[in-house]
Order: sequence, then structure tokens, then C-alpha cells
Amino acid sequence: DTGVSQDPRHKITKRGQNVTFRCDPISEHNRLYWYRQTLGQGPEFLTYFQNEAQLEKSRLLSDRFSAERPKGSFSTLEIQRTEQGDSAMYLCASSDTGANYGYTFGSGTRLTVV
Amino acid sequence: RKEVEQDPGPFNVPEGATVAFNCTYSNSASQSFFWYRQDCRKEPKLLMSVYSSGNEDGRFTAQLNRASQYISLLIRDSKLSDSATYLCVVNTPARGSGNTGKLIFGQGTTLQVKP
Repeated sequence: DTGVSQDPRHKITKRGQNVTFRCDPISEHNRLYWYRQTLGQGPEFLTYFQNEAQLEKSRLLSDRFSAERPKGSFSTLEIQRTEQGDSAMYLCASSDTGANYGYTFGSGTRLTVV
Repeated sequence: RKEVEQDPGPFNVPEGATVAFNCTYSNSASQSFFWYRQDCRKEPKLLMSVYSSGNEDGRFTAQLNRASQYISLLIRDSKLSDSATYLCVVNTPARGSGNTGKLIFGQGTTLQVKP
């Protein structure tokens, strides 16, 4: 296992369409995090899981966003009825020890809503 | 007020210079502190953890002042390859035993090292 994998790397979609992103964490990591990053800003926390349990969701995560980690392994992030403001880099990270020792990020999915 | 604040820069320095970045955080209960490096259009990568006693890794020195809620990163003898954005990162603990919460990132400080 070479690291955190995200798919797709890039996604261009029309406003109003639904999109789904996938994240495969490092296999022994039980914690998985989603962040969103826009140009000139640091990553902003969206949500995180310990195994299959979603422990926290940011207020940034509107009703159009949903994340799952059904078997405690890979996770999906779905955005429904995309808006231009959703254009960003969506980063996934995983950790085996929580936030005390930092996390490893995937390469991200860059979403462009046109 | 942002939970983690950094001067976005950019800092433009010549090769060989020493440069320092600072960061403040608002949650006094924060327990873990890091500097991440992010290259253009890439994911953030852990540069170093920051310990209360201060710590050094080669040309990089990180310091933490818990009383002032202040973190710093010093880069000595800057190289062209140090050009990147440096993110100050703090954990926000959550309620509940054993829940270490999540990491909160600053806006990042951009460093450009010129020949």
C-alpha cells in the first residue's frame, strides 16, 4: 500500500449535476478525513470517520454534501446539485493515531463546476 | 477570528537567506502542532511536528510558545527547492475520551527563494 489514493484526479461537471469522489486510505489507518481547499487558502475541514462511524461534520458540509465509509475502508464524498462555488480541490487524508501525529494526504480531486 | 492565523506573504528571499514564519492559534486546548509544506497544485505534506521544547530538523527549526499561543518556523540557508507554501497546523481536540479531534490549517505562507 503506497499511500492514500483518490479518484478521479480531475472532474469537470456542469452546474446542477451530481458528482462522487472516492478515497482509499492507507490500509491500516482507521481514521479518514475530508478537506476542501480553494486557491490561496489552507485546507478546510469537512468531515471525518473513525472506522465506519462519521464522528464530525463541519458546518461547511451543506445538505448537498454526503460522505460515507460503509465498511470502514474506502470512503465516498458525494455532492448533489453542484454549484460553481463547489469548485475546489477535495483532499482526503488518513491516520492511524488520530490528530496527534499528523496525517497523510492523497493527491486530491480537483473539481471544476462550469 | 480564524482558529489558525498566518501571514500569507509572499516572502521573497535570496538563496542562502534565513527566513522565519509565524503563526498564532486561538484554541488554548490544542495539543499537537505541525508545519506542513505544500507545493503548487500538490497535496500538503508533513514537514515537521512542533514540540514545546523546540525542535530542529536540518535547516529547519520549529518553536512553540503555549502561553502566547504562537508557533514559528525558521529556515536557514534557504534553497531554491524550499519555494513552497508552508501551512501552520493545529489539532482541535474534541469532547470525549480519546478523541483527538481534527487538524485545523492556517491559510499558509508562501515562500519564493530567488537565485
